[in-house]
Amino acid sequence: GAGVSQSPRYKVAKRGQDVALRCDPISGHVSLFWYQQALGQGPEFLTYFQNEAQLDKSGLPSDRFFAERPEGSVSTLKIQRTQQEDSAVYLCASSLGTGGMGEQFFGPGTRLTVL
Amino acid sequence: AQRVTQPEKLLSVFKGAPVELKCNYSYSGSPELFWYVQYSRQRLQLLLRHISRESIKGFTADLNKGETSFHLKKPFAQEEDSAMYYCALSSPNAGKSTFGDGTTLTVKP
Repeated sequence: GAGVSQSPRYKVAKRGQDVALRCDPISGHVSLFWYQQALGQGPEFLTYFQNEAQLDKSGLPSDRFFAERPEGSVSTLKIQRTQQEDSAVYLCASSLGTGGMGEQFFGPGTRLTVL
Repeated sequence: AQRVTQPEKLLSVFKGAPVELKCNYSYSGSPELFWYVQYSRQRLQLLLRHISRESIKGFTADLNKGETSFHLKKPFAQEEDSAMYYCALSSPNAGKSTFGDGTTLTVKP
């Protein structure tokens, strides 16, 4: 079956541009997670959705970052006025159950480069 | 605050040798612990989690609450075990997961 998909796979943005990253989770998965992974580091938690409800956004680094999952399936991570420090791989993961205790299925990531 | 530390960035062993990837954590309470693996050109995937007490691909991990460790072990490493390994911690009943910075394991022939 289809796994988690993300688009675009690569994105180059000029500093100050807005970007939108899309995540299609596995159908029926309740939980959806966004992570930011800088080069040489592990994934860092950004935000968590349970269905359409954003239950935890404590990892969003600034108010330039915004995530939504309006119908409880597809999710979009938006970064406004991108900065060079936003350059990273953005990972999306989904999980069948609620919370972080179950297996998370990861997408391939979107590599964002801000020039 | 929850934290996961993987002290070794790189680990290299010969095929057939035992391997241990270290993971230490900091958490107030009883966390759920996981090992994820990323093979070359593949996405991150679950290897094992402490709650299921399984052995996957010959790997095991024991949660030591006294030492706050969750080291990953395999008695005889294989070349196909070469990959990046991440230790992760999740809060029960919460969504946030914390990952370590990973250990790159290379198994030499």
